[in-house]
This record gives sequence, C-alpha cells and structure tokens, in this order.
Amino acid sequence: RKEVEQDPGPFNVPEGATVAFNCTYSNSASQSFFWYRQDCRKEPKLLMSVYSSGNEDGRFTAQLNRASQYISLLIRDSKLSDSATYLCVVNTGSARQLTFGSGTQLTVLP
Amino acid sequence: GAGVSQSPRYKVAKRGQDVALRCDPISGHVSLFWYQQALGQGPEFLTYFQNEAQLDKSGLPSDRFFAERPEGSVSTLKIQRTQQEDSAVYLCASSLGLQGNTEAFFGQGTRLTVV
Repeated sequence: RKEVEQDPGPFNVPEGATVAFNCTYSNSASQSFFWYRQDCRKEPKLLMSVYSSGNEDGRFTAQLNRASQYISLLIRDSKLSDSATYLCVVNTGSARQLTFGSGTQLTVLP
Repeated sequence: GAGVSQSPRYKVAKRGQDVALRCDPISGHVSLFWYQQALGQGPEFLTYFQNEAQLDKSGLPSDRFFAERPEGSVSTLKIQRTQQEDSAVYLCASSLGLQGNTEAFFGQGTRLTVV
C-alpha cells in the first residue's frame, strides 16, 4: 500500500463547477500536509498547506482529518487556469521527507 | 535567479553510460531533496540532505545511484551504468527548514532518457 493515496482521476469539469479531491495517508506520525500543483511538464509548486482547523485561500479550501488520516481539497468556481495535476503531500519517513501521492489530473472545460 | 536551478535540463544517455545531474538550491536552504518522477506518477523520494549530511538515502533504487552535497550547497546525483528503467525526470527541491516541515521549492528537473 502506498503511503499517500489519491483519487486517480482524471476529473473533467465545466468552468464554474466545484470539484473535490481526496487523499489518505498511512503514517499517523506525519506532521505536515500540503497540496502541490503541477502543470504539464513543469515542476510541482506549493498550492497550500493544510492545517488541522481547515484553511481557505480564495476559491480553495483544504481540510485535514487526523483521526481518519484524510485530506481534502475543494476548488470552487473552477477556472480554465485550474487545469493541472494536484498532488497530495505528507511529510513522513525517517527524514520526514515530503511524500507525494500519484496526483489527480484536473481539466476544466470551457 | 533566486530559484532552484538544475542542469542539464535534458540528457540522453546510452545504456551503460554514467551521468551526473546537478542541483543549485536556493541560497541558505538547509534541506535538499532529490526525487524521481516517472510519466503519469507523483515524484518518488530518492534522498535527503541536511546541509552536507545525507540523512536518508532509502529511496535510491540501487547502488548505481549516488548523491553528494559536499559543501552543503550544490548537490550532484550520479547514476552509473544507466539502464532504460532509469529514464525519468529527476527533480531537486530545497527548503529553508528541516526535513519536510516547510515549503519545498522545486527546480525544473532534468529529463533523462536512456536509449
């Protein structure tokens, strides 16, 4: 079983739609949680950190449930520019390195 | 520039050839990570440096892979006797904080193709 598992996607949604991505992680000792965004043939970039109390950044809302070891990302009012792969990231392992899920591909359609 | 710089951007190697991939992290960043990303997959951890110390190399797939960061800044990932399964994008990331607790900034990667 992978340490970080995500919905495989792909998700194809119309502009303006709300879309949610889910992620589970296996290491209960993980301390930091993130969503990264990766555009085609580009490097991953931090979208937002995920805090226990949940946090929002504009159209993006991230939630963390430590008891269930579950992380989510909600995107409201999708834009064409939101099309990308969304990577769930958890710090784990002996070096607490960032461990990535396989990513969920989102395509927002006009 | 102020970001993480990797070179070369693209490398084609014949099977059996040795390659060296370079990473210039952001100045002052303590942590440096190497990842391997296959097509359609998320980045897979290879190794972690805290300054010049290689604290974790558990992700290196074989003893043909070797990484160093001798002065705690620039890092080199070396792959000996390359095989076709080594074809991937190799990403370097650095962060100001220790381990994976703070934002990691990635370079654009080196796309290695072994023919």
